[in-house]
Amino acid sequence: AQKITQTQPGMFVQEKEAVTLDCTYDTSDPSYGLFWYKQPSSGEMIFLIYQGSYDQQNATEGRYSLNFQKARKSANLVISASQLGDSAMYFCAMREGGFQKLVFGTGTRLLVSP
Amino acid sequence: SAVISQKPSRDICQRGTSLTIQCQVDSQVTMMFWYRQQPGQSLTLIATANQGSEATYESGFVIDKFPISRPNLTFSTLTVSNMSPEDSSIYLCSVRSGSSYNEQFFGPGTRLTVL
Repeated sequence: AQKITQTQPGMFVQEKEAVTLDCTYDTSDPSYGLFWYKQPSSGEMIFLIYQGSYDQQNATEGRYSLNFQKARKSANLVISASQLGDSAMYFCAMREGGFQKLVFGTGTRLLVSP
Repeated sequence: SAVISQKPSRDICQRGTSLTIQCQVDSQVTMMFWYRQQPGQSLTLIATANQGSEATYESGFVIDKFPISRPNLTFSTLTVSNMSPEDSSIYLCSVRSGSSYNEQFFGPGTRLTVL
């Protein structure tokens, strides 16, 4: 079974609008962390936001927020007020408590239009 | 957050040759991770490098093909040996960092093309 599922291969949004990128995960470990990364065409992986399984509040970092719904095992990324520079691939990832490695989803390509 | 640099940023190599990728971190870290991203794919962990011990490899990756060195707490190298076109990928170094040690950062990556 896939540990991380991103069902949206591509998303389109107009500049200044908000967009939600979906991510669901599968784990039986009560301790885990969820991550979102942005990968522009240059190939670098830019850390955006982290949510721990025991965190009571949804994580936020500037225009990025993580809509964490534990019972549904979803960790959607919300980007508010999209900018042209937000056009990139976005990856959701998970690290389970006893392990060091990140497991990544297949990614969502976001295109922001003027 | 940790600042990570990698060398080279990109290279084009002939099959059968080897390439060594360097990763430098601006702070001391216990573990360094090497990931591979094949074209159009997601990232996969190759191995975890601890200073002073042998690297731990993930299933499907072997030391003979991807030897790793970790001479100190800020530096690591990954060698891609006896390359074939299937090794064409982006190779990324990564470390855990942040105030709670939960965040994880990546280097800028090395884009390798094997002809």
